[in-house]
Amino acid sequence: AQTVTQSQPEMSVQEAETVTLSCTYDTSESDYYLFWYKQPPSRQMILVIRQEAYKQQNATENRFSVNFQKAAKSFSLKISDSQLGDAAMYFCAYSGGGADGLTFGKGTHLIIQP
Amino acid sequence: AAGVIQSPRHLIKEKRETATLKCYPIPRHDTVYWYQQGPGQDPQFLISFYEKMQSDKGSIPDRFSAQQFSDYHSELNMSSLELGDSALYFCASSAAGLAGEETQYFGPGTRLLVL
Repeated sequence: AQTVTQSQPEMSVQEAETVTLSCTYDTSESDYYLFWYKQPPSRQMILVIRQEAYKQQNATENRFSVNFQKAAKSFSLKISDSQLGDAAMYFCAYSGGGADGLTFGKGTHLIIQP
Repeated sequence: AAGVIQSPRHLIKEKRETATLKCYPIPRHDTVYWYQQGPGQDPQFLISFYEKMQSDKGSIPDRFSAQQFSDYHSELNMSSLELGDSALYFCASSAAGLAGEETQYFGPGTRLLVL
């Protein structure tokens, strides 16, 4: 079974600074998908970014980018120019693709200091 | 853009009662997933359906059942409710039948409280 580990229960960053959230995973598959989801206090699950394992290029979405290291099974999220609206719980998630369910990490609570 | 719709948004039930949660996927999405998220926990995958057939199964209790209908909406039926079933239940949808479209988009969730 696949596992996802987020070793940082909580992170704090100053507004406008850069922060990196860590995620490692374990799988025996060669093709899979990785995601970062954001869950603000409203508890809505919002997709932040996705990465296909077969792509070597790291995904980027505006201020959000990932560092995907397939051999190390590492998938970190970098948030640049942090904004107050970025404050939320961030979940790293793994999918084998198709209709497979997501396996989530325990989450990292991100605090933005004004 | 249209999103995943879940109803009801809030539900209060007594122990041993039955509850039915509904999910309407994003138009043209063929796959529906159900998740349970307890307080302070990460979402746990329950079950998924692709083209109206059960596809993947997670930690869904035997007291729960689900199905996907011809219009692709899905219902999660929960019987003999227990206090521990109190949680936020998410439905997500994707166009998993299309290569590269496996991204799951989540609905707002149904908050279930069992008293």
